[in-house]
Amino acid sequence: GIQVEQSPPDLILQEGANSTLRCNFSDSVNNLQWFHQNPWGQLINLFYIPSGTKQNGRLSATTVATERYSLLYISSSQTTDSGVYFCAVVTDSWGKLQFGAGTQVVVTP
Amino acid sequence: DGGITQSPKYLFRKEGQNVTLSCEQNLNHDAMYWYRQDPGQGLRLIYYSQIVNDFQKGDIAEGYSVSREKKESFPLTVTSAQKNPTAFYLCASKRDRANTGELFFGEGSRLTVL
Repeated sequence: GIQVEQSPPDLILQEGANSTLRCNFSDSVNNLQWFHQNPWGQLINLFYIPSGTKQNGRLSATTVATERYSLLYISSSQTTDSGVYFCAVVTDSWGKLQFGAGTQVVVTP
Repeated sequence: DGGITQSPKYLFRKEGQNVTLSCEQNLNHDAMYWYRQDPGQGLRLIYYSQIVNDFQKGDIAEGYSVSREKKESFPLTVTSAQKNPTAFYLCASKRDRANTGELFFGEGSRLTVL
């Protein structure tokens, strides 16, 4: 099956800093989503981005499907950005999402 | 408000007991999914359903069962055959059966086996 690798596994940021999270996948994909899991476990949809670039406030994402990677940018980080960021991809006709292991982000005041 | 509702949020179970987790959505979505998350890990697919009265095994279906009698409901039963059931369980849904489209999650149910 497809391999989804996220890097870095852990990230500590000072409030106000910028960062880039990466997601590499081993096969072509039909769908790619980024999620933020908050400390209570809730998965929040950030981007549905099988290709191209999208922006939502301080967050933006870029997927280069031909090169099999996606990037999530966090600018001017805030303590509320803390949590785990997951990349997930779909490769089959059933729409099943395959998750990476996540990047744990801690933003300190 | 439209969304996905999971209940209960927390559940404790004795070994050897079956337990059923509820998942209800009012988004009129065709496809529904159950995922399991262990501490510090990503999500793994247990079962999924593309249409009423039909469902398929995911990557870790052993020890679990589901039903899809109504479009809006997709309950998951954790049976006594599941060797290590303590985990965080997340239900999700998607508008249609295609391999595109955005997946949305409920708030999850935490199961602890005592």
